[in-house]
Order: sequence, then C-alpha cells, then structure tokens
Amino acid sequence: GIQVEQSPPDLILQEGANSTLRCNFSDSVNNLQWFHQNPWGQLINLFYIPSGTKQNGRLSATTVATERYSLLYISSSQTTDSGVYFCAVEQGSGGSNYKLTFGKGTLLTVNP
Amino acid sequence: DAGVTQSPTHLIKTRGQQVTLRCSPKSGHDTVSWYQQALGQGPQFIFQYYEEEERQRGNFPDRFSGHQFPNYSSELNVNALLLGDSALYLCASSSFVGQFFGPGTRLTVL
Repeated sequence: GIQVEQSPPDLILQEGANSTLRCNFSDSVNNLQWFHQNPWGQLINLFYIPSGTKQNGRLSATTVATERYSLLYISSSQTTDSGVYFCAVEQGSGGSNYKLTFGKGTLLTVNP
Repeated sequence: DAGVTQSPTHLIKTRGQQVTLRCSPKSGHDTVSWYQQALGQGPQFIFQYYEEEERQRGNFPDRFSGHQFPNYSSELNVNALLLGDSALYLCASSSFVGQFFGPGTRLTVL
C-alpha cells in the first residue's frame, strides 16, 4: 500500500517562530488532508489540498502532486499550536470517499 | 450544524468482553469510516460504510464488525476484546472536501 512519511517527527519552537512540516507519499493520490490533533484526541481539519497552495490565517499548505509531497507552514507560532500534526492521503478513482492513510505525525511543542 | 458525534467518550472493558461504539455523521454526509489510533501512532483505517453496506475494509480481524443505519449513523462492534484493542476509536464522515472526524471513544481493555 501507499507509504506516507512525515518529517520531522518532533519539533520544539519558541512562541513567534515559523516552521515547515513535510509530508512525502509514495504513489499518486486524489486527496490530501492536514489535521491537527489536540491533547484531547480531536482531529481538527486544517486543509483539504490535493494540489496547489491554500492559506488560512497563520497557516498555509502547498501540495506538489507530481513530486508527491506536501508542506504545512506555520507562521508566528503560538502555544495553542502545540499538538500532533498529521498528513493523510486518499487513493481511488471517481472522486473522494475512500480510506485515508495517515503518516505517523509531527509532534509540535511551542514554548512561551 | 452539529459535527460528527461519538458515544461513549470513554469505556473500560475486560478481556473477552464485547463492546459497541456509536457514531453520528455530519448532517448531509452519507459515508462513515472508522479508524483505530494506538498511542503514539497515526489512525489506522478499520472499515467504511456507505448505503448501509461495508464498502472498504482495512487489515483488521473479523472480531471487528460494523453496521450503518438508514439515518447514516453507524456502530462499531468488537468481540472477544484483547489488551491490544485498547486505543482511541475515531469515526469520520465524508464530503467532497475530505473527511471530518468525531472526538473519538477511548477504549481501555483490562
């Protein structure tokens, strides 16, 4: 099956710093999502980004589908950004609604 | 508009018992998927239901079974619980802009 690799596995930042998280995948996909998992386990949708670039406040994401990677940028980090960030991909034909394959995540800690 | 809901929040069972977890999808979503997340790992796909049928299944034994009702809500059943079944169980419903997850049920097997 498809492999999803995230880097770095752990990242520690001071509040206000910027960071880039990377997601590599081993095959073509028809969907890619970024999630933030809070300390209570809730997976929060950040981006649905099968290709191109999107921005939402301090967060932005870019997926280069032809080169099989995606990047999540966090600018001016805040302590509330702490948690695990997951990349997940979906394969299949005919649109969405197939299973998601997750990476192992990046554990981000933002210190005040 | 309510998001994906799951019940119960937490559950403690002993080995060999059976458990049922419940999920209601977001309004308008007709496809429900279940995932298991062990500590320190990413979620792993268990199965997906659409039109009350299991449409896809991950690499999980037959002890894991499910059901989808006409109102699109879903249940996950696990029989003969093992210690290794202790995990966070997540339900997701699907739209054209991806999957949306519920808060999860944390299952502890003693």
